Amino acid sequence: AQTVTQSQPEMSVQEAETVTLSCTYDTSESNYYLFWYKQPPSRQMILVIRQEAYKQQNATENRFSVNFQKAAKSFSLKISDSQLGDTAMYFCAFMKGGSSNTGKLIFGQGTTLQVKP
Amino acid sequence: NAGVMQNPRHLVRRRGQEARLRCSPMKGHSHVYWYRQLPEEGLKFMVYLQKENIIDESGMPKERFSAEFPKEGPSILRIQQVVRGDSAAYFCASSPGLFGDTQYFGPGTRLTVL
Repeated sequence: AQTVTQSQPEMSVQEAETVTLSCTYDTSESNYYLFWYKQPPSRQMILVIRQEAYKQQNATENRFSVNFQKAAKSFSLKISDSQLGDTAMYFCAFMKGGSSNTGKLIFGQGTTLQVKP
Repeated sequence: NAGVMQNPRHLVRRRGQEARLRCSPMKGHSHVYWYRQLPEEGLKFMVYLQKENIIDESGMPKERFSAEFPKEGPSILRIQQVVRGDSAAYFCASSPGLFGDTQYFGPGTRLTVL
C-alpha cells in the first residue's frame, strides 16, 4: 500500500523569505503522480503544483517549485518570496498511474505553514 | 466557469438522523470523488464515481454510508443513522478524466453530529 509522510507538523517563515516543506512517499509503482494542495483557513483545497513521475524535470508554478527525487521517493515543495496569503496547511498527495489508477489521492498528514510579517 | 459546488456548507444532525451531502462537479467533468477530513488530519479517500457507476468504494465504511452519481443531478453522499464519530468535513472533487488528471475540490460540507 502507498503511504505519504509529511514529517513537519508546523513551520513558520518570515515574509519574503524562502521555505521548504518536506514530503516522502512509499510505493512500488513506477508510474504515478504527485501533488501539493494548499488548505487556507477557508478550508478550500487548492492545487498548488503537480508532478508526473516519468518527468525528470521539476515542476514550477510561479513562486512554487518542487524538488522531486524519484530514487529517494522525496517530493519537497519550495515557496520563494513567501507572502502572508501563503499561510495555510499544505498537503502532499500521491496518485497511482497507469491501468491500476482508480483516481484515489492518498494524502499526507499536512504541514501548517505560518508566514509572519 | 463555476467550480465544484457542494451544499450545504454546514450541516447539523442529531445522532440517529440521516445526512445528505450534495456535490455538483465542474462543467465537463464526469468523475467525482468523495473524501473525509477528520479534525487535524489529512483527507481520506472514500469513494470514486462516474455517472451511474461506483468505480471504487474501498474507503467507504461498510455500513450506513452510500454514494450515488445519477445520470441527471448532483452526486449524493448519504450517511444513515449518524453517530458523533461521523462529525468531519466532507470534500467532493471532480476531474474530466482519470489518468493523472488533477482533481478540483469543492469547499466542503462540515457535518456536526450532536
